[in-house]
Amino acid sequence: GIQVEQSPPDLILQEGANSTLRCNFSDSVNNLQWFHQNPWGQLINLFYIPSGTKQNGRLSATTVATERYSLLYISSSQTTDSGVYFCAVRPSTGANNLFFGTGTRLTVIP
Amino acid sequence: ETGVTQSPTHLIKTRGQQVTLRCSSQSGHNTVSWYQQALGQGPQFIFQYYREEENGRGNFPPRFSGLQFPNYSSELNVNALELDDSALYLCASSLGPAGTDTQYFGPGTRLTVL
Repeated sequence: GIQVEQSPPDLILQEGANSTLRCNFSDSVNNLQWFHQNPWGQLINLFYIPSGTKQNGRLSATTVATERYSLLYISSSQTTDSGVYFCAVRPSTGANNLFFGTGTRLTVIP
Repeated sequence: ETGVTQSPTHLIKTRGQQVTLRCSSQSGHNTVSWYQQALGQGPQFIFQYYREEENGRGNFPPRFSGLQFPNYSSELNVNALELDDSALYLCASSLGPAGTDTQYFGPGTRLTVL
């Protein structure tokens, strides 16, 4: 099956700093979503981005489908950004479900 | 707020028992997918229901079964619970079964098996 790798596994930032999270995947995809999982377990949709670039406030994402990676940028981080960030993909052929990476745990300290 | 609800929020069972988890999909969505998330890992796909029929299944044994109702809400049933079934169970709804549709997740049910 498709492999999804996220880096770094853990990240600690001072409030106000910027960060870049990476997601590599091993096959072509037609669905890629970034999620933020809060401490209570809720998966919050950040972006649906199988290709191209999107921005939403302090967050932006870029997916380069031909090179099989996606990047999530967080600018001016806040303590509420803490949690686990997941990238999930759906291969272009095969099942309709999402395959998740192992996540990046972000801790923002004041 | 995704509009997807799950119940109960927490559940404690003993090994060998059976459990039923429930999910109400977002308005207008006819597809529900269930995922299991063990501690420290990403969610793993259990199965998907589209218009009351199973529409894809991950690598889970038959004691994991499901239902989808005419209003598109769904149940996940697990028989003969094992200790390794302890996990967060997430359901996601989408507009349709196509893999290109955005999936919206509920808050999850945390199951502990003792």
